[in-house]
Amino acid sequence: NAGVTQTPKFQVLKTGQSMTLQCAQDMNHNSMYWYRQDPGMGLRLIYYSASEGTTDKGEVPNGYNVSRLNKREFSLRLESAAPSQTSVYFCASSWQGNIQYFGAGTRLSVL
Amino acid sequence: KQEVTQIPAALSVPEGENLVLNCSFTDSAIYNLQWFRQDPGKGLTSLLLIQSSQREQTSGRLNASLDKSSGRSTLYIAASQPGDSATYLCAVRDYNSGYALNFGKGTSLLVTP
Repeated sequence: NAGVTQTPKFQVLKTGQSMTLQCAQDMNHNSMYWYRQDPGMGLRLIYYSASEGTTDKGEVPNGYNVSRLNKREFSLRLESAAPSQTSVYFCASSWQGNIQYFGAGTRLSVL
Repeated sequence: KQEVTQIPAALSVPEGENLVLNCSFTDSAIYNLQWFRQDPGKGLTSLLLIQSSQREQTSGRLNASLDKSSGRSTLYIAASQPGDSATYLCAVRDYNSGYALNFGKGTSLLVTP
């Protein structure tokens, strides 16, 4: 049982480049989330999708876009990467507001 | 906005000790509270979830309590082991955050042999 799978695990970008972080879950959860984790800041919500077809901004949405492709997949896109977006990105899923299950994370460096 | 605070930020104890990690939150109108464990370079693993109507939850050597009225939760770890060394995160789901969680910054625990 894979749970929540994130790709890639590591990525290095140059300022201004774009990329998409992929997330897929196999637990038939309806809700999915993207968080970023920075030293001294804790985890902060970027975007979430309460159910297929809906997305909402979290605490730090600027510079990001998301797509809930289907019930299983929720992607995060950086259109023009900036050094301030250097972080560890986590995808999570849950059945409504119950236990959230996290992926292993994507470590992104923007030079 | 919900603020979640965890004290202490770091803790070092010898193996075998019982210990308590603290979490406080500013808005008591919560649905539930979750405790997570994070190992270095890894994702988060859910340990316990307490619904707002519950007072405590237990799993093995772990016991989490919730006092919603005072905005506090504690995670009690009995008979600590070196394998318990990790960062422990507290997260709150409240009425304003939908299904999303508000996280504390964590307590980094080191259990020495």
